[in-house]
Amino acid sequence: ETGVTQSPTHLIKTRGQQVTLRCSSQSGHNTVSWYQQALGQGPQFIFQYYREEENGRGNFPPRFSGLQFPNYSSELNVNALELDDSALYLCASSSPSGGFSYEQYFGPGTRLTVT
Amino acid sequence: ELKVEQNPLFLSMQEGKNYTIYCNYSTTSDRLYWYRQDPGKSLESLFVLLSNGAVKQEGRLMASLDTKARLSTLHITAAVHDLSATYFCAVVLTNSGYALNFGKGTSLLVTP
Repeated sequence: ETGVTQSPTHLIKTRGQQVTLRCSSQSGHNTVSWYQQALGQGPQFIFQYYREEENGRGNFPPRFSGLQFPNYSSELNVNALELDDSALYLCASSSPSGGFSYEQYFGPGTRLTVT
Repeated sequence: ELKVEQNPLFLSMQEGKNYTIYCNYSTTSDRLYWYRQDPGKSLESLFVLLSNGAVKQEGRLMASLDTKARLSTLHITAAVHDLSATYFCAVVLTNSGYALNFGKGTSLLVTP
């Protein structure tokens, strides 16, 4: 069974640029959630995708957008990067049909640095 | 808005000692998670607590949930250095597609 994978591992961008982060969900999981974790903080929910539709969104501006593909992999896009966007971006997959616990399995993360 | 508060935020303890980390949350939820994070790493699931009075144990860690008090505890027994990490509790936002709402984390350092 393949776990959650994310790419790239690290990324350095300049303020104002755009970035795309990628996530492959664990085999059999149809739900992907994205989280932003600033240094020294807990992860903050960005949004969740279920069967290619956005299924909930946290307090993030519209320049944070996403997609989920038919194979349940997902992208997080951030436009007009700001310095405060520097963080670890975590993807988590889950399968609501797999049991009531709805446990989310996290990928290794993408470390984004905006200069 | 669901708020999740952990305390303490920093904890330094000697090997062999016991201690408890507390997680309070502000609104009704019947699902609480504990995660461990090592520096520069992702989140590792420790426990999922689904109902009032739930208690789960794994090695030197034991987690419990009191939904009436909106409180979960993570108890560490006879700490060892390998337990040094940051521990997060997270509560589900049931109106946001089961998104996790995390506390700020407790940074635990176990010293000889």
